[in-house]
Amino acid sequence: ETGVTQTPRHLVMGMTNKKSLKCEQHLGHNAMYWYKQSAKKPLELMFVYSLEERVENNSVPSRFSPECPNSSHLFLHLHTLQPEDSALYLCASSQELRSNTGELFFGEGSRLTVL
Amino acid sequence: QKEVEQDPGPLSVPEGAIVSLNCTYSNSAFQYFMWYRQYSRKGPELLMYTYSSGNKEDGRFTAQVDKSSKYISLFIRDSQPSDSATYLCAISNFGNEKLTFGTGTRLTIIP
Repeated sequence: ETGVTQTPRHLVMGMTNKKSLKCEQHLGHNAMYWYKQSAKKPLELMFVYSLEERVENNSVPSRFSPECPNSSHLFLHLHTLQPEDSALYLCASSQELRSNTGELFFGEGSRLTVL
Repeated sequence: QKEVEQDPGPLSVPEGAIVSLNCTYSNSAFQYFMWYRQYSRKGPELLMYTYSSGNKEDGRFTAQVDKSSKYISLFIRDSQPSDSATYLCAISNFGNEKLTFGTGTRLTIIP
């Protein structure tokens, strides 16, 4: 496996379900990110982790709960979501936080549908 | 006013044409300017990166930044069907920590 891998690729859940999205990066990077991508909206930064410590929580509702057990893995735990949370959730990594090149390496995303 | 404005398109041009994609931004503190390309059902990938004003060329792609006008552009020369994708501008004053993205422009190159 190379790059950034996200599972599952597709997820359908009811508003009362609990599910988790998983991200794994094989690049040896120190920073990891969760982004939300909705139709006709800009990418929204949700969470940032650097060396397993959360450095950014961008006013995200508490029904989204991130977890970073080590520098290679990132989870997004979901519970009691709303239909408006349906979106593509993208995980990304970078060599360092505040890298001047601005390069993020994205996974292919997890397409979430909340019924 | 949005921090970054980008025409969502869609934009369709014939193969071989020159494509111009643009973004405007409001915060003069931004110093890092990027273009990401996102193919259908894929994550975005960095295409071009520019620091401060000026031009940067990479093959058929040229990124241009005009800080006085708060305007950035991406030009694609000799466009190919494989260039069909959504192009996202991204701007920051903290490198990659807090990128502000545009909505993306969906581009289709017609063979």
